[in-house]
Amino acid sequence: QVQLVQSGAEVRKPGSSVRVSCKASGYSFSAYTINWVRQAPGHGLEWMGRIIPVSGAAAYAQRLQDRLTFIADVSTGTHYLDLSGLRPEDTAIYYCARMDTDLALDFWGQGTWVTVSS
Amino acid sequence: DIQVTQSPSFLSASVGDRVTITCRASQNIRSYLNWYQQKPGTAPKLLIYYASRLQSGVPSRFSGSESGTDFILTIDSLQSEDFATYFCQQTFSDPRAFGQGTKVEIK
Repeated sequence: QVQLVQSGAEVRKPGSSVRVSCKASGYSFSAYTINWVRQAPGHGLEWMGRIIPVSGAAAYAQRLQDRLTFIADVSTGTHYLDLSGLRPEDTAIYYCARMDTDLALDFWGQGTWVTVSS
Repeated sequence: DIQVTQSPSFLSASVGDRVTITCRASQNIRSYLNWYQQKPGTAPKLLIYYASRLQSGVPSRFSGSESGTDFILTIDSLQSEDFATYFCQQTFSDPRAFGQGTKVEIK
């Protein structure tokens, strides 16, 4: 069965960086784009971007693109999100989600809490 | 960028009610509109994709429709387990924006 298992919660200070991982299993890793979505406490869903594993080509939300990097490691079947220059407003749950052939997010990771606080 | 405007933000309803939620896209998105359900403390769950196609395993009381750039999620005969927050998302082009969400609460 398809599974996306994310890394555990992180606490970071403002100005530092964080890496969130998303281990994929149960499907052909290279065949599906992964999207990253975040949700600040009490807020809605924010699309952060997507990556095509076979090429590594990525698209980023404009307001995050200077601080955000996605990596797809085909050898281990793991996706990574790197966010630098952290600010308190980056405090959120970060989700990875698989995009199916109909361009819907059909499977989601369990989410990773990232807290940014001094 | 394509904007997606979802309404209402909040909805109070009773078990057995018929509920509708609307998303309006700022331009043509060719049916690439999906609906998700999110319950507290859990990841979103796909309900409807490509405007009107029911995701496998989702009860048939959920349905989606479209008229131009307006998209509607309908829940027929609301059940207790349907009290949640619902989001739409356009996946026609980047950035693949979500609607603001609709919280469905018990009246």
